Amino acid sequence: QSALTQPASVSGSPGQSITISCTGSSSDVGTYNLVSWYQQYPGKVPKLLIYEASKRPSGVSNRFSGSKSGNTASLTISGLQAEDEAHYYCCSYSGTHTLHYIFGTGTKVTVL
Amino acid sequence: EVQLVESGGGLVQPGGSLRLSCAASGFTLSSYAMTWVRQAPGKGLEWVSATSGSGSTTYVADSVKGRFTISRDNSKNTLYLQMNSLRAEDTAVYYCARVRMEVDSWGQGTLVTVSS
Repeated sequence: QSALTQPASVSGSPGQSITISCTGSSSDVGTYNLVSWYQQYPGKVPKLLIYEASKRPSGVSNRFSGSKSGNTASLTISGLQAEDEAHYYCCSYSGTHTLHYIFGTGTKVTVL
Repeated sequence: EVQLVESGGGLVQPGGSLRLSCAASGFTLSSYAMTWVRQAPGKGLEWVSATSGSGSTTYVADSVKGRFTISRDNSKNTLYLQMNSLRAEDTAVYYCARVRMEVDSWGQGTLVTVSS
């Protein structure tokens, strides 16, 4: 299975809202709610933002929200801030093996 | 506090071998599936291999199948990745990570460079 499809880049001005899409198939994103989102700064470790498509771990800002419709999951960042400039990756259970997950291609968010 | 500390990375020639280790603390290792995720320079994340809590079930990506072997020693709180027949395209930072229904904790990563 190939990587989930994300836009290469998304940009927005401070205070705006942006949405990053993550498109898979009926075998993975479309069937399972096991979609997670990660934020990664250059040279740093990925950080979990969203799990089970729409749940936020404690300590993650409520400006980050997740949703899913059909084969596409989405991450929305509201009230965009300069510190949100980073790479974002989605990840989904693959449905083909109990221990196989698939990452998205990654999206660079730029704050204008 | 969950801590995952990788070691064993370095420079290796094509065709060579390395064994990565990941020392876990702050939780009961046997209660969690674990995975190795890699990231080539300037590239995205790739799910490489994973193992169930007991080690009885494993997954290996097609890109490394037959060359990489994941294992764990729960009594030593350590996860391993044996990497053989290394290729230039295996050059990456290798992260050890804990899996619930998602990856919820990551190590700092260890860099593997395959070059002559």
